[in-house]
Amino acid sequence: AQSVAQPEDQVNVAEGNPLTVKCTYSVSGNPYLFWYVQYPNRGLQFLLKYITGDNLVKGSYGFEAEFNKSQTSFHLKKPSALVSDSALYFCAVREVGKLIFGQGTELSVKP
Amino acid sequence: EAGVAQSPRYKIIEKRQSVAFWCNPISGHATLYWYQQILGQGPKLLIQFQNNGVVDDSQLPKDRFSAERLKGVDSTLKIQPAKLEDSAVYLCASSQIRGGPGGPGANVLTFGAGSRLTVL
Repeated sequence: AQSVAQPEDQVNVAEGNPLTVKCTYSVSGNPYLFWYVQYPNRGLQFLLKYITGDNLVKGSYGFEAEFNKSQTSFHLKKPSALVSDSALYFCAVREVGKLIFGQGTELSVKP
Repeated sequence: EAGVAQSPRYKIIEKRQSVAFWCNPISGHATLYWYQQILGQGPKLLIQFQNNGVVDDSQLPKDRFSAERLKGVDSTLKIQPAKLEDSAVYLCASSQIRGGPGGPGANVLTFGAGSRLTVL
């Protein structure tokens, strides 16, 4: 079965600093990987996905993610964090038409 | 493009009572999903529909949960009787396959705002 793991429950970053939210995956075959963001009392919003091609994927709101096959990782990054980026972030992997989500990482960006 | 609509947004019930949640997906989206998100956890798939047929309901507690998608459009998720551990946010999502599994819209799920259930 496919799975993803997010090793950090919480990430704290100062505004303007770069941020990284970590995700590792375990799949059989080629992985289809996704990042979603969830703001308080809102549904999940799609940020970006990796299917094939370039290992660096660019997404919404200035986020990008780097696919690393040797390390089985798909970390989410942003060069300069904003206070408004504070939210819950979920990594996910596709399995037979559905998405399997990690447990989530709470990102807190302080001014 | 209208989003995924869900109702009610909030529901509080006593254990052993019943509750129903409704979802209207994005127009034209053939696939509809119900996820359960317990506080502090990632969403867990309960059931997946393709048009009006069930694709995956392996994690649906069928002794108390039921779901239907009549006419392949909107869907209802029911819990009867509810237990304390059913307290969660129930998320509905929909998707379409555009250009095959690797296409730009493939497996991009669009989620509704969710229905928060509290069982007392």
